Amino acid sequence: GAGVSQSPRYKVAKRGQDVALRCDPISGHVSLFWYQQALGQGPEFLTYFQNEAQLDKSGLPSDRFFAERPEGSVSTLKIQRTQQEDSAVYLCASSLMAQRNSPLHFGNGTRLTVT
Amino acid sequence: QQQVKQSPQSLIVQKGGISIINCAYENTAFDYFPWYQQFPGKGPALLIAIRPDVSEKKEGRFTISFNKSAKQFSLHIMDSQPGDSATYFCAASMVPSNTGNQFYFGTGTSLTVIP
Repeated sequence: GAGVSQSPRYKVAKRGQDVALRCDPISGHVSLFWYQQALGQGPEFLTYFQNEAQLDKSGLPSDRFFAERPEGSVSTLKIQRTQQEDSAVYLCASSLMAQRNSPLHFGNGTRLTVT
Repeated sequence: QQQVKQSPQSLIVQKGGISIINCAYENTAFDYFPWYQQFPGKGPALLIAIRPDVSEKKEGRFTISFNKSAKQFSLHIMDSQPGDSATYFCAASMVPSNTGNQFYFGTGTSLTVIP
């Protein structure tokens, strides 16, 4: 497919478990973003990659959250020792260029539920 | 704090009517203002965007009006259709620093168009 692909689509984790969420951006897209979207809210910025470099991780809520994009394409968001407040939809977005007006293309997200 | 404030939270419009969603911001460094449309279970999709050097941009039935002095911008959907029923998010971004570009989203407006 030509769009941003995220997996798994749904994830249920018990509190304290570690989870890994995957994002396959559109091929050739330089920029990659992770956002967290709570129910009924807008997406909240987590982190930003330009190619393999993580240029901004100011939105990561705690040191339990870690993201990587080692080869500048696929990215993984890892959450360690999940807590109930981590329950949300995690959205990945990519854009062709690094400029601010380069359109963001979002995936359909991974819905994480921590029980 | 919320960088972009959006209203109303929900909106019900008759088919053929005009839907109006408003957003306001404080940070004068913002210089790119996109609107996103999100259907249930899907990621947000770019609808239309504006730069602050113009006061209005129209694409089909969708128009952005921008008031730089008031730091406000709005989305107008003309001849609203049931297929427009979705959640709409305004967003803003600024000239990227060396840490990359980040988008700030409003809290969303749930639009329902009644046939």
